[in-house]
Amino acid sequence: GAGVSQSPRYKVAKRGQDVALRCDPISGHVSLFWYQQALGQGPEFLTYFQNEAQLDKSGLPSDRFFAERPEGSVSTLKIQRTQQEDSAVYLCASSYAGTGAVQPQHFGDGTRLSIL
Amino acid sequence: DAKTTQPPSMDCAEGRAANLPCNHSTISGNEYVYWYRQIHSQGPQYIIHGLKNNETNEMASLIITEDRKSSTLILPHATLRDTAVYYCIVVFFGNEKLTFGTGTRLTIIP
Repeated sequence: GAGVSQSPRYKVAKRGQDVALRCDPISGHVSLFWYQQALGQGPEFLTYFQNEAQLDKSGLPSDRFFAERPEGSVSTLKIQRTQQEDSAVYLCASSYAGTGAVQPQHFGDGTRLSIL
Repeated sequence: DAKTTQPPSMDCAEGRAANLPCNHSTISGNEYVYWYRQIHSQGPQYIIHGLKNNETNEMASLIITEDRKSSTLILPHATLRDTAVYYCIVVFFGNEKLTFGTGTRLTIIP
């Protein structure tokens, strides 16, 4: 389809393992966002890319969280040395425009991460 | 970004209009009102947005008061598939990140 695609849909990892979550945005979308959603809460902003540039990473909870978008399309969110509090749904969104425009964000269905 | 206040839950009968209120009394002139919804186990879905004029699209209507301190999202003929959490979000022009609150859980009753 033409929407935002995230993989895997579900990920189970043991505490201390590293995980990588992938996001394929809508083709041609300049902006890409990552959000974290804990159970029963609204999504919370993690980081924002405009093309390959990471313009805002103020929401990343610790230096164990790292995101990249090397060619300005696909993005990967990596979590090192996972902890139980990292268990959440990780949502990716993309939008057509860059800074200075207000465009709707289109979300994927997320990756549900469970840390045992 | 301005803070929003929404009722935690609402019910609406199937086929009736669902009116979801949002208070954003500290909104500034450069801030837009956006509405998203999230159906269970899915990502948020964009519904509509506006600055100061009322807006309508194929999904809903957005009514913004003249002083811009509150707004109402209207789903004209609610169906069971409209059961979701609805988020009202104020977005500052040039600051693209969304700040979600806890939203309104709308339940459509058959």
